[in-house]
Amino acid sequence: DTEVTQTPKHLVMGMTNKKSLKCEQHMGHRAMYWYKQKAKKPPELMFVYSYEKLSINESVPSRFSPECPNSSLLNLHLHALQPEDSALYLCASSQRIGDRANTGELFFGEGSRLTVL
Amino acid sequence: AQKVTQAQTEISVVEKEDVTLDCVYETRDTTYYLFWYKQPPSGELVFLIRRNSFDEQNEISGRYSWNFQKSTSSFNFTITASQVVDSAVYFCALSEADYGQNFVFGPGTRLSVLP
Repeated sequence: DTEVTQTPKHLVMGMTNKKSLKCEQHMGHRAMYWYKQKAKKPPELMFVYSYEKLSINESVPSRFSPECPNSSLLNLHLHALQPEDSALYLCASSQRIGDRANTGELFFGEGSRLTVL
Repeated sequence: AQKVTQAQTEISVVEKEDVTLDCVYETRDTTYYLFWYKQPPSGELVFLIRRNSFDEQNEISGRYSWNFQKSTSSFNFTITASQVVDSAVYFCALSEADYGQNFVFGPGTRLSVLP
C-alpha cells in the first residue's frame, strides 16, 4: 500500500464547480508536490511545497490553487476548470529539499483522476 | 537544462523473455540522481531504484538490473524472465544537485508482457 493517500480517486466536475483534491502523508516528509499527468504522457510538475511554504509554481493557471495546512497535508483547490484540465493529478512527497541530505526520491500516491465536463 | 530521453515508446515481449529499457539523460551538473519508476494501470508511480552520479556500480534486485554508464549518459533497466505483472509504463527520471524539486521525467516506455 502507498504511504501517500489521495482523495478522491475519481472526480467529475462541471466548469463552474468548486472542488478540492486532498493528499496526506505520514512519513515525516517536509516536501510535497502536485503533478499533472495527461494520458500517455509523463507527469508534469505543478507545485512544490517545502516546509509548508510554496517554493515552486510552474506557471500554473490560477484556477488551480494549492494549500499546505501542515506538513502532512496538501490540498489542490479547483475552480472554473476547463475540459482540457481533465487528467490524473498525482501527489508526491520527499524527505526534504534544499540540503545535501535530500535523496531526491519521490513517493507518489495513486492519484486523483479528474474529468471536467 | 536537464533532459531525459527514452527512445522506446512501446515494447512487447512474450513472458519469460528478457527486456531492456533504455534511458539517456542530459545534465550539466556533476551531482545528480537517476531514478526508475513503474506505473501500472492503477496509476500510482512505484519507485524502483535511485542511483547517484558518483556511484556507477551496477545493481541487481531479483529479476531487475540496472546498468549506469556515465560515459554514455545512460541508465538502462533490464527485466530478466519477464512476467505479465511487469506490464506497465516505466519512467526514467533525473534530479539535479541538491534540489529534489528539479525532478524531470522521461516520456516513458510502455511494456506489454504477453502470456
